[in-house]
Amino acid sequence: GDSVTQMEGPVTLSEEAFLTINCTYTATGYPSLFWYVQYPGEGLQLLLKATKADDKGSNKGFEATYRKETTSFHLEKGSVQVSDSAVYFCASRGGTSYGKLTFGQGTILTVHP
Amino acid sequence: DAMVIQNPRYQVTQFGKPVTLSCSQTLNHNVMYWYQQKSSQAPKLLFHYYDKDFNNEADTPDNFQSRRPNTSFCFLDIRSPGLGDAAMYLCATRAGRLAGADTQYFGPGTRLTVL
Repeated sequence: GDSVTQMEGPVTLSEEAFLTINCTYTATGYPSLFWYVQYPGEGLQLLLKATKADDKGSNKGFEATYRKETTSFHLEKGSVQVSDSAVYFCASRGGTSYGKLTFGQGTILTVHP
Repeated sequence: DAMVIQNPRYQVTQFGKPVTLSCSQTLNHNVMYWYQQKSSQAPKLLFHYYDKDFNNEADTPDNFQSRRPNTSFCFLDIRSPGLGDAAMYLCATRAGRLAGADTQYFGPGTRLTVL
């Protein structure tokens, strides 16, 4: 079945540092790929998405590129802020009619001033 | 302009006492999902509705039921909550039929405590 693997956390950075959170997937066909962010005590918010190979999703300074050849969708941000501290989930959506999401295990990011 | 609303945000129940969690949406989406998320884990899909069609995940316990009386509302019923059911419950919606409708929109969640 489909699966998503994220880099182990937690990740701790200083403000303005560069962020990379690795994500790889296995799926049949060509899934859509997503990054969701979850702030403490809140639900998941869509951060960005890409629906086909070589697409780049971007939002709020975060970027991720759909790499079919490496089955990856790594999240990057050039300069993190304290307000970016949250849990980040990578997810894939296969071709099933009900659009089931397969989530990675989540990566906790803490940014210090 | 909240799009997916969950009530209550925090729910406390007693062991074995039935509890209902509520989700409503203003997006007019066809698909509604219920997830269970335990601490430091990824959300786990319990079931979903595509319009009125109910679809249970194979490993969802019978203790969990759902109702969708209309497009806007969906309820999660836990018939006899156990200590292991304490979790965050997330509702999500998806447009379903529209082109590119592959994004799920999540509500803020209900944190369930079982005493």
